[in-house]
Amino acid sequence: EIVMTQSPATLSVSPGERATLSCRASQSVSNSLAWYQQKPGQAPRLLIYGASTTATGIPARFSGSGSGTEFTLTISNLQSEDFAVYYCQQYNSWPVTFGQGTKVDIK
Amino acid sequence: QVQLVQSGTEMKKPGASVKLSCQTSGYTFTSYGITWLRQAPGQGLEWMGWISPYNGNTDYPQKLQGRVTLTTDTSTSTAYMDLRSLRSDDTAFYYCARIHTSAWFFDYWGQGTLVTVSS
Repeated sequence: EIVMTQSPATLSVSPGERATLSCRASQSVSNSLAWYQQKPGQAPRLLIYGASTTATGIPARFSGSGSGTEFTLTISNLQSEDFAVYYCQQYNSWPVTFGQGTKVDIK
Repeated sequence: QVQLVQSGTEMKKPGASVKLSCQTSGYTFTSYGITWLRQAPGQGLEWMGWISPYNGNTDYPQKLQGRVTLTTDTSTSTAYMDLRSLRSDDTAFYYCARIHTSAWFFDYWGQGTLVTVSS
């Protein structure tokens, strides 16, 4: 199965700044990459799919890029509600697999 | 609006079974697959399998083959996950989610059910 590796494990960012999260696949997943946000005590929420398509209702400050094995989630102008754990997921190969998550916390 | 509402917290002893439900609304149940995932405390997400409410087709990861069964009731738009021979490392939050129509990512999620396995 494809192993997804996220970095860093924790990212400390000040409100209003930009956060850049990375996700690497052990082999190419084309653009079959999704990003989810999970807040404490809540289920994950879909942010991005197709590596760069923003899901319905997601603010424009969230953007995704990349293809193949290297992907990035960028959160511009970080808001208080954006402090959470972010997961990437590949769905190009069976079984689908997730990264271990990046926690974005307040600097 | 699309909603997936899961059943409540469960506490089980090792060796027992648990059956969780996921009641859906706001969309045509048979038009989208349902997947189940779990998350042990402080850990990442583990995919547990999927089911097509349209024809009942299922697939499970090899790790859980033989212990997990997914079913649906199209009359009530409800999906079920049955996990047998529970062990302490099955303690986790369990989530159902709707599979997007065109690809294997998950666009709507249930709120999660905590299953605790302890003697």
